Amino acid sequence: AQSVSQHNHHVILSEAASLELGCNYSYGGTVNLFWYVQYPGQHLQLLLKYFSGDPLVKGIKGFEAEFIKSKFSFNLRKPSVQWSDTAEYFCAVTRTDSWGKLQFGAGTQVVVTP
Amino acid sequence: DAGITQSPRHKVTETGTPVTLRCHQTENHRYMYWYRQDPGHGLRLIHYSYGVKDTDKGEVSDGYSVSRSKTEDFLLTLESATSSQTSVYFCAITSNWRQETQYFGPGTRLLVL
Repeated sequence: AQSVSQHNHHVILSEAASLELGCNYSYGGTVNLFWYVQYPGQHLQLLLKYFSGDPLVKGIKGFEAEFIKSKFSFNLRKPSVQWSDTAEYFCAVTRTDSWGKLQFGAGTQVVVTP
Repeated sequence: DAGITQSPRHKVTETGTPVTLRCHQTENHRYMYWYRQDPGHGLRLIHYSYGVKDTDKGEVSDGYSVSRSKTEDFLLTLESATSSQTSVYFCAITSNWRQETQYFGPGTRLLVL
């Protein structure tokens, strides 16, 4: 069973629009949470991560994510996207019973049109 | 970018042939991982290593073996390649598997005919 769910597989939006990508995980214990981005033809790069502390995490390139423990969610947001944000976005989780083993969601392909 | 290279970057092979992919790091990180990326599945862990000669299975290890004889190199072998192993393979490294981020290599695109 998929333990990390990304609700949208494809998102198309215009430049300057706001972006929100959903991520839910199914584990009741302590987790570390990540968002990775893969630009066309490139390898995965870390956007942001949450280990503990402030549940609102800011990452690179204007992205942020909010950890809501009660909802088992870690949604990614960006207020105003650019054409260069076209990429595939992956949510990933590590769990107390399997530290170091990243479990990825299926990914969301985001296309930003000029 | 983390010092990770993968070779080859692209490979076409035939069903039934053995294939070895190499991951090389210059960061002296203890932990190394092999993932495969397939549409609709994200990345899935094949095998990982927590030190020289110390390896363990991941989520999709059937048909794959690994070896790590030096800190800097982690080899992934497909004993007898099948078409279902057509995929993009990524290596990742980290220095601390509890608190540190995994950094990914550029990937190897493998096509099994």
